[in-house]
Amino acid sequence: SQQGEEDPQALSIQEGENATMNCSYKTSINNLQWYRQNSGRGLVHLILIRSNEREKHSGRLRVTLDTSKKSSSLLITASRAADTASYFCAPDNYGQNFVFGPGTRLSVLP
Amino acid sequence: DAGVIQSPRHEVTEMGQEVTLRCKPISGHNSLFWYRQTMMRGLELLIYFNNNVPIDDSGMPEDRFSAKMPNASFSTLKIQPSEPRDSAVYFCASSLGQGNEQFFGPGTRLTVL
Repeated sequence: SQQGEEDPQALSIQEGENATMNCSYKTSINNLQWYRQNSGRGLVHLILIRSNEREKHSGRLRVTLDTSKKSSSLLITASRAADTASYFCAPDNYGQNFVFGPGTRLSVLP
Repeated sequence: DAGVIQSPRHEVTEMGQEVTLRCKPISGHNSLFWYRQTMMRGLELLIYFNNNVPIDDSGMPEDRFSAKMPNASFSTLKIQPSEPRDSAVYFCASSLGQGNEQFFGPGTRLTVL
């Protein structure tokens, strides 16, 4: 199993701005997933991108994957106060269980 | 589907007592995970099961912790005896196979006094 490392650890933006957070990992992957955790709640799956994909969209979310750099980014466009949460990446190493990193704490200010 | 169900949602106990946390995974999911989350250590994987069989328990802190999955629809995490440092939020998650999307329960907030 391997751990994804999110960057930055914390991010504050104004409502309506875009938020970008990054994830780096160490070994080859089958897919990479992004999760969100609102305060006091369990994690919620946002999006999964496979190793043969470079970009994926879901609503206001855009995920990119660069396997040569072993990195991924999550872009949230037109952020809202409800997007305030911690965001975690989870690189899947061919069925081994992923280890969650410290996450990025996003604060969207009204 | 009701999602992953955990009980109790909150547990306050005294040091030395036995604590049992319960989890009902989503019907049809064959992988089940127990996590612990604290401010200091973040989200840690304690143990996971595949088809009711424990596959990797290397994350279990010590012998005071044990987990069982007697059938596909029920799992328990037991701490005996509990210690104040066990205070944390414990999450159960399930998925259809390893490496796929995990569905998390609401968690059990454990406080050991």
